[in-house]
Order: sequence, then C-alpha cells, then structure tokens
Amino acid sequence: KQEVTQIPAALSVPEGENLVLNCSFTDSAIYNLQWFRQDPGKGLTSLLLIQSSQREQTSGRLNASLDKSSGRSTLYIAASQPGDSATYLCAPHSRQLTFGSGTQLTVLP
Amino acid sequence: SQTIHQWPATLVQPVGSPLSLECTVEGTSNPNLYWYRQAAGRGLQLLFYSVGIGQISSEVPQNLSASRPQDRQFILSSKKLLLSDSGFYLCAWSVFREKLFFGSGTQLSVL
Repeated sequence: KQEVTQIPAALSVPEGENLVLNCSFTDSAIYNLQWFRQDPGKGLTSLLLIQSSQREQTSGRLNASLDKSSGRSTLYIAASQPGDSATYLCAPHSRQLTFGSGTQLTVLP
Repeated sequence: SQTIHQWPATLVQPVGSPLSLECTVEGTSNPNLYWYRQAAGRGLQLLFYSVGIGQISSEVPQNLSASRPQDRQFILSSKKLLLSDSGFYLCAWSVFREKLFFGSGTQLSVL
C-alpha cells in the first residue's frame, strides 16, 4: 500500500523567498506524480504532472523534481507571493493516486 | 475545453436521511471518474472510481454507493447518512494516467 509523507506540514515565509516542499512515497513503482494546490474550501488544482521517465517539470515559477528510485519529489517555488498561500499536495500514481496530507503554505506580504 | 460541475456546494442533512450528490463532465468522452472524501484535518480518501458506464469500483466499505448512468455523469448516494459521513466530497475526472481535474466540492454536514 502506497504511503505518502509531506514535510513540512506547515510553512510560513516572507514574500519573495524561494522555497522547497518535500514529498516522499513508499512504493516507487509509479506511473507519474502530480502536485496539486488547494485553497480553503475549494477543490484541488493540478499544478504539475511528472511522468515516471522524467526527472523534472517546470511551469512558470514552479519546478517539480522526481527521484523515483528513492521515492522522493520536491516542489520548488521561486520568488513566492502572497497569492501562493494555499495547501500543496503531492500524489504519486501507482494503482491509484495516493495523496499526502499536504503542506500548508503561508506567504506573508 | 473540459469542465466539471459538482453540486450542491454545501449540504446540511440529518442523520438517517438519504444523500445524492451529482457530478457532470463536459468536453471529453469516456473519462475516468472519481469520488473522493476529505475529512477535517485528514487527507483525501478515494471512495469510488469508474472507467465506464455502469462500471464502479469501491475502495472502502461504507454506507455510500456510486452510479454512472451516463458517460459523463457520476452520482454519489446514501440511503441513510451517518454522522461519520460528514466531510468535503470531491468529484474528479481524468483520462488514463493523465492529469486529474477536480470539481469545486460539496461540504456535507450530517447533524
């Protein structure tokens, strides 16, 4: 059974900082891994999808990396903004997507 | 473009009452459809998924059921709600092993 851990559980940073969110998973036999963003009381928005054959994927200020053999992924956010405040979840896709509990990010103006 | 509609946004129901949540997808054919639940302070739990009309797979035993009467319609039901059914219910769709797209969710409170 896939288990997903996200560290830290919560993070508060001043605006403009670069930051890294971590995700680890126990079953490395995955097809892909997605990173999602969730605003309070809202659904999830897919940010990036990394296929198992890829090492990283970029979208704007976001960069996600994947080390499938070690069961790790990171989400790098450059030049953080208050609008980035949300909960970020990673979800490796083995038999099904399994979600971590998320990192709650607060970017202070 | 593809869109997903989920309603209602909020729902307050007494214990023992029935439930019906509906989700529809536009702009794609034969999507995989999913129902997730997010309880307060907990992660997302996959409840049901469907790869086609009438094909439902259940991930956890519970008093909920799901149906897919049409290609792009997914319904979550219960005959009698329990207090433990309270939570945030999310419908989602994808094509095979690609990005997962979520609806806006239904906040269900069972009192």
